Amino acid sequence: GNSVTQMEGPVTLSEEAFLTINCTYTATGYPSLFWYVQYPGEGLQLLLKATKADDKGSNKGFEATYRKETTSFHLEKGSVQVSDSAVYFCALTPTGANNLFFGTGTRLTVIP
Amino acid sequence: NAGVMQNPRHLVRRRGQEARLRCSPVKGHSHVYWYRQLPEEGLKFMVYLQKENIIDESGMPKERFSAEFPKEGPSILRIQQVVRGDSAAYFCASSRTGRDNEQFFGPGTRLTVL
Repeated sequence: GNSVTQMEGPVTLSEEAFLTINCTYTATGYPSLFWYVQYPGEGLQLLLKATKADDKGSNKGFEATYRKETTSFHLEKGSVQVSDSAVYFCALTPTGANNLFFGTGTRLTVIP
Repeated sequence: NAGVMQNPRHLVRRRGQEARLRCSPVKGHSHVYWYRQLPEEGLKFMVYLQKENIIDESGMPKERFSAEFPKEGPSILRIQQVVRGDSAAYFCASSRTGRDNEQFFGPGTRLTVL
C-alpha cells in the first residue's frame, strides 16, 4: 500500500537553527513527493515537490531530495525564522493516481 | 494559496442533523478533491470529482456521506445524520487537470458535532 511516515513533533527551535524533519514513504512504482505547510488558520500550501529519484525540491530556503534507495524525502532548512512556525506535511501521489497520501504532520515552533 | 474557497469555516451540528460543506475551486480548475483531517492525524483522501462526475470515491465512508460537483456552482460534501466521530476538519483542493500534481487547498471547514 501507500503510506507516509514523518517525524513526530512538536519541534521547537531557536531562530537561525538548522531544521530537519524526517519523512519516509511506502509506495508502488514511482510516486511524486511533496512537502506542504499549514500556517495557523489557513489551508495547506505546497512548499516544494520532487517527481523522480534524485530530484531536489527547493523553495524559501527549504530543500528536500527524493531518495529512492532509502525511500525518504527529508525536509531541511539551514536557518529557520520565527515566520517558519507552522505544521509541515509530507505527502505522496502514487504513479497514475490523483489523490495525495499525507503523513500526520510535524508542528514546528521557532522562538526568537 | 491560489484561491480555493470553502464555507462555512466552522460548522456546529447536533447528532442526527445534516452537514453541507461547500467548496469553490480556483477559477478554471475542473478537478476537486475532498480530504478529512481527524484530530491529531494527517489528511486522508475521501473523494475526487470532476464536473458532474465522481472519479474516485475510494476514501468515502459507505454510508451517510456523498459528494457532488455540478456543472454550475460549488462542490458539495454532504454528511447525513452526523455522529460525534464526524467531527473533523474537511479540506477541499482543486487542480487544473487530473494529471496535475499540484493541488491547491482551501482553508478547511471545521465540523463539530455535539
